[in-house]
Amino acid sequence: SQTIHQWPATLVQPVGSPLSLECTVEGTSNPNLYWYRQAAGRGLQLLFYSVGIGQISSEVPQNLSASRPQDRQFILSSKKLLLSDSGFYLCAWSRDSSNQPQHFGDGTRLSIL
Amino acid sequence: AQKVTQAQTEISVVEKEDVTLDCVYETRDTTYYLFWYKQPPSGELVFLIRRNSFDEQNEISGRYSWNFQKSTSSFNFTITASQVVDSAVYFCALSEAKTGGFKTIFGAGTRLFVKA
Repeated sequence: SQTIHQWPATLVQPVGSPLSLECTVEGTSNPNLYWYRQAAGRGLQLLFYSVGIGQISSEVPQNLSASRPQDRQFILSSKKLLLSDSGFYLCAWSRDSSNQPQHFGDGTRLSIL
Repeated sequence: AQKVTQAQTEISVVEKEDVTLDCVYETRDTTYYLFWYKQPPSGELVFLIRRNSFDEQNEISGRYSWNFQKSTSSFNFTITASQVVDSAVYFCALSEAKTGGFKTIFGAGTRLFVKA
């Protein structure tokens, strides 16, 4: 069966510090991978998606970036965090088709001080 | 353009009541897929159901049922005899075949409180 791991679960960072959130998927190959942000009490905002190694599409201009160094690894990064980067970050994977549901990790609660 | 509207921000019910969560969508594609997800307090989203645009059959799974009506562009979710464990945020989502599913659009979510 497929599993998705996302870490850390919680993170408290000062403004201006760097960020690295990691997500890995097991039990499948060549998944579509996604990063979402969910502000408190709000819906999901798609940040990045990837259909293959090194292929990243950005949905929202911001100071975040994503990378996919391996087939089942997806990393969300920032060089300098802003207060507005606070939120709940979710990684997800799906099979390559529009009719496939997405499967989500447990999320990372990021607080910027 | 794609759009998913969940007009109910929060719903509060007492245990054993039935509750319906509304979802209205907009799309220009003739082939599309609708999903419901549950986000319990722990945070992770859990996939509940998928419906494709060619299948308007309603579906029942235990206490959960879904009513898909293309005529009104709605895909409503009913929980029968609600339980405290049903307390969560529920998201409706839409995926269009022509965009390859990469840009699945989620509604804003409906927070359901079930009181004992």
